[in-house]
Amino acid sequence: DTGVSQNPRHKITKRGQNVTFRCDPISEHNRLYWYRQTLGQGPEFLTYFQNEAQLEKSRLLSDRFSAERPKGSFSTLEIQRTEQGDSAMYLCASSSSWTGGTEAFFGQGTRLTVV
Amino acid sequence: AQKVTQAQTEISVVEKEDVTLDCVYETRDTTYYLFWYKQPPSGELVFLIRRNSFDEQNEISGRYSWNFQKSTSSFNFTITASQVVDSAVYFCALSEADTDKLIFGTGTRLQVFP
Repeated sequence: DTGVSQNPRHKITKRGQNVTFRCDPISEHNRLYWYRQTLGQGPEFLTYFQNEAQLEKSRLLSDRFSAERPKGSFSTLEIQRTEQGDSAMYLCASSSSWTGGTEAFFGQGTRLTVV
Repeated sequence: AQKVTQAQTEISVVEKEDVTLDCVYETRDTTYYLFWYKQPPSGELVFLIRRNSFDEQNEISGRYSWNFQKSTSSFNFTITASQVVDSAVYFCALSEADTDKLIFGTGTRLQVFP
């Protein structure tokens, strides 16, 4: 297992288009998180899954954002009708709840630019 | 509400200097975790340390050391004899006990010059 994998690494899209990102967590991890990081800021929590259940969503996650984790493995984050304010780095992380809480391991992120 | 404050936006040092990055947190939970992550220019967040709220022992790992003080709600990070490879943005973060959801500070950019 090589860690958390995110695809694509970079995405440029026109305003109004839909985009979808994929995250493959570390295989034995049952928790998966999405964060958004804008320039000069720390990552901000968007949502998280335990297995296939989406347990929490931030108020930052507008109706245009949707995340899924079918079968409790990989996850997708879709942004509909993108806006310039959606330009950011989208980070995925995974962790395991089996050991009573561990550090989250992050992927390299998907950098989204909306033009 | 939970909050993490990293008041130092940017620090510049010359190689071999010691440097301390400050982190102050707020939480109402009695059980929580504190973290430090490093983000090099490549962008990936690299885990450095996790500390639970019941363990106030300071920790040393090579040139890195961490000072956790519940009385002042601080979790400071010191790099001894800094190196150019230490140049990165460092984030302090806090998580609740029952989830690994992280609340990050705004980060401190460390530049180490040769």
